[in-house]
Amino acid sequence: KQEVTQIPAALSVPEGENLVLNCSFTDSAIYNLQWFRQDPGKGLTSLLLIQSSQREQTSGRLNASLDKSSGRSTLYIAASQPGDSATYLCAPKRNYGQNFVFGPGTRLSVLP
Amino acid sequence: SAVISQKPSRDICQRGTSLTIQCQVDSQVTMMFWYRQQPGQSLTLIATANQGSEATYESGFVIDKFPISRPNLTFSTLTVSNMSPEDSSIYLCSASAGRGMTDTQYFGPGTRLTVL
Repeated sequence: KQEVTQIPAALSVPEGENLVLNCSFTDSAIYNLQWFRQDPGKGLTSLLLIQSSQREQTSGRLNASLDKSSGRSTLYIAASQPGDSATYLCAPKRNYGQNFVFGPGTRLSVLP
Repeated sequence: SAVISQKPSRDICQRGTSLTIQCQVDSQVTMMFWYRQQPGQSLTLIATANQGSEATYESGFVIDKFPISRPNLTFSTLTVSNMSPEDSSIYLCSASAGRGMTDTQYFGPGTRLTVL
């Protein structure tokens, strides 16, 4: 059974800092991995999807990397802004059509 | 991509009653899922909603408590039956869109349920 952990559980930083959020998963036989953000009381917004054959994906100030063999993914946020404050969730998927398994999330607070 | 809407967005219900949550996707999708997110927790999968057949439930969730319908490729409902305060959660509908390894999962805005 896939288990996902995320470190740190919470993070508070001043505006402008570069951040790294870590995700680990126990079953490296994944199909792809998706990073989401969740604002308080809201649904999830997809940020990046990395296919199992890829090493990284970039979107704006976000860069996600994947090391499938070691069961790790990182989300790098450059030049953080207060609008980045949210919970960030990592979710690997084992096979096409199956559900994602979610980590507990990293709660990020970016202070102005 | 897929845009997902849910109704109602929130509700306050009495113990012992039932609530049906509707999920509408703006395009045909293969897979639809229902998740629960309890206060301060991450997401837990309740079931996969299968079009034209019975839903596939995860361990700890049963059809009598969480009946699910999926009459077509764009719509699904989740009913929370005989509610108790422990059912107070956010319920999220999700759908997978895309082919192969670009299979991306999208989420609705959630239904915030409070049971008194």
